[in-house]
Amino acid sequence: DTEVTQTPKHLVMGMTNKKSLKCEQHMGHRAMYWYKQKAKKPPELMFVYSYEKLSINESVPSRFSPECPNSSLLNLHLHALQPEDSALYLCASSFERGGELFFGEGSRLTVL
Amino acid sequence: AQRVTQPEKLLSVFKGAPVELKCNYSYSGSPELFWYVQYSRQRLQLLLRHISRESIKGFTADLNKGETSFHLKKPFAQEEDSAMYYCALMFSGGYNKLIFGAGTRLAVHP
Repeated sequence: DTEVTQTPKHLVMGMTNKKSLKCEQHMGHRAMYWYKQKAKKPPELMFVYSYEKLSINESVPSRFSPECPNSSLLNLHLHALQPEDSALYLCASSFERGGELFFGEGSRLTVL
Repeated sequence: AQRVTQPEKLLSVFKGAPVELKCNYSYSGSPELFWYVQYSRQRLQLLLRHISRESIKGFTADLNKGETSFHLKKPFAQEEDSAMYYCALMFSGGYNKLIFGAGTRLAVHP
């Protein structure tokens, strides 16, 4: 399996909802990433996990809460989001020492 | 500040014409540079990286540290090359921090 799988593909939520985005890979990668991509913009790094520990947090608001329960799974918990948080959320993984990132297809989030 | 600059939002060429997508970077350490591509309705994927010095789908890119550039070139563009191209920089030191330029959309016309 050489893919990064993200679920759900689409999510609509209200500002008071709590939801989660999920990401899974079975390539033995020990680094996993969350990126946010707004329309017609490049991906912006949010979080990096290395060996299941959070190694980079790009000053992301606390309404986004990442979790890495094991080496294959990465979650992004969402709570009290704002409409401006609507975007495509991309998950990626790589070997721990960097190199190529493998991206998922993304979860398109709409906050009403 | 660390930055990746792609000055062209759109590059429009005819099939068979040469292509050069520009990328400049600003980084105080020893960077690792990449080109990622996103074809229509497909996921973002690696096209090439500077340390491998290989040609992928006819594309090449050379790291010029003096000019802090990593331009992507192809001598003869094909229609299937139409896509969004992102230059990306990975920070040194094993931090796994990869940042992207704004991207250039390449449109190859028949």
